[in-house]
Amino acid sequence: DAGVIQSPRHEVTEMGQEVTLRCKPISGHNSLFWYRQTMMRGLELLIYFNNNVPIDDSGMPEDRFSAKMPNASFSTLKIQPSEPRDSAVYFCASSLTTEQYFGPGTRLTVT
Amino acid sequence: AQSVSQHNHHVILSEAASLELGCNYSYGGTVNLFWYVQYPGQHLQLLLKYFSGDPLVKGIKGFEAEFIKSKFSFNLRKPSVQWSDTAEYFCAVNLNTGRRALTFGSGTRLQVQP
Repeated sequence: DAGVIQSPRHEVTEMGQEVTLRCKPISGHNSLFWYRQTMMRGLELLIYFNNNVPIDDSGMPEDRFSAKMPNASFSTLKIQPSEPRDSAVYFCASSLTTEQYFGPGTRLTVT
Repeated sequence: AQSVSQHNHHVILSEAASLELGCNYSYGGTVNLFWYVQYPGQHLQLLLKYFSGDPLVKGIKGFEAEFIKSKFSFNLRKPSVQWSDTAEYFCAVNLNTGRRALTFGSGTRLQVQP
């Protein structure tokens, strides 16, 4: 199995631009998680899907952030408009049981 | 809401030294507990997990952790560290309620000097 796949691995964008991060979970997994990792705040859960339905989005910072899971094999996290404080590593993880498998992350830099 | 505390933010050890990283959680109910490791530039990988049964859990690469319910703790240990153990270690908790979301601690950066 290829594991959780995320793209792009690195993204540099200017403030105000739209950013879309992509995730392909492990085949057969029915839960998908988006996390953000920063030096200041550590690893934070942004949103969590189960069977493609958002279950908990209380970690989404504000309306500029949105996430979708149109089918079992694809999810996106969109930031519009982006701000410098959004600079972080964004991880996607998937699971079938409680154990989560993480992707390699997308390092986002907003200048 | 539950929280996870990792009191050691940065630990520096020499090779062959023993390691113990602290993890405490705040939740009175049944929990599932995890330790993840993040090597430099890489993604998080599961080291070990505890769901129930024997409170002493053995994981990969010689790591083990002990669940002490009375202390709400799940400390990670390794008798003899290697330079390749240099990484960041995260403790995580999942409430045994059917929800799969994890709450992570702030992480402990371990630096092993050769």
